[in-house]
Amino acid sequence: EAGVTQFPSHSVIEKGQTVTLRCDPISGHDNLYWYRRVMGKEIKFLLHFVKESKQDESGMPNNRFLAERTGGTYSTLKVQPAELEDSGVYFCASSQRSGRSTDTQYFGPGTRLTVL
Amino acid sequence: RKEVEQDPGPFNVPEGATVAFNCTYSNSASQSFFWYRQDCRKEPKLLMSVYSSGNEDGRFTAQLNRASQYISLLIRDSKLSDSATYLCVVRGSSNTGKLIFGQGTTLQVKP
Repeated sequence: EAGVTQFPSHSVIEKGQTVTLRCDPISGHDNLYWYRRVMGKEIKFLLHFVKESKQDESGMPNNRFLAERTGGTYSTLKVQPAELEDSGVYFCASSQRSGRSTDTQYFGPGTRLTVL
Repeated sequence: RKEVEQDPGPFNVPEGATVAFNCTYSNSASQSFFWYRQDCRKEPKLLMSVYSSGNEDGRFTAQLNRASQYISLLIRDSKLSDSATYLCVVRGSSNTGKLIFGQGTTLQVKP
């Protein structure tokens, strides 16, 4: 079974540009999460989709970040316009059922974003 | 104060040693607890869930003390392949599935 995949693996852009990250969850997983790790800090939650609906977007840093999950399959995370502090590794994770103590989140390999 | 606190290390131990990592969490309403392992420049992978009764998986033993809001991971007979960053992770009280990560503890096992 294929795991969570993310594209691109690396992205280097200039401040003010737009970048779109993509995540394909494990097939059949209704729950999709975005996290990010900025340098020297812990991994932090951004948001959670259940199918195509945003269940929790409390971790989104500001309105420059837009996440979508049309059709409840893959998800995109757009940063527009990018700022220097957006640099970091963006992880996507998926799980079958949320809210259950046995629910395991499987992480993708991450997208390493560098904003110059 | 961070929601999940860990000693970042690094812990440098010889092969065969026993090493213990600790973690504290601030939200007493937290429901689920995990240890994830992260290799350099890789994604976090679930190592084990942590239960109040304590649980063991081979050389790994995890303990949870809800009263003290304290989680531990014990690794016995360390292998070179155990070298990694170990992340203490807590799921909050809501049903959103949001995971809260500690900064991680780095382990380096040396021959």
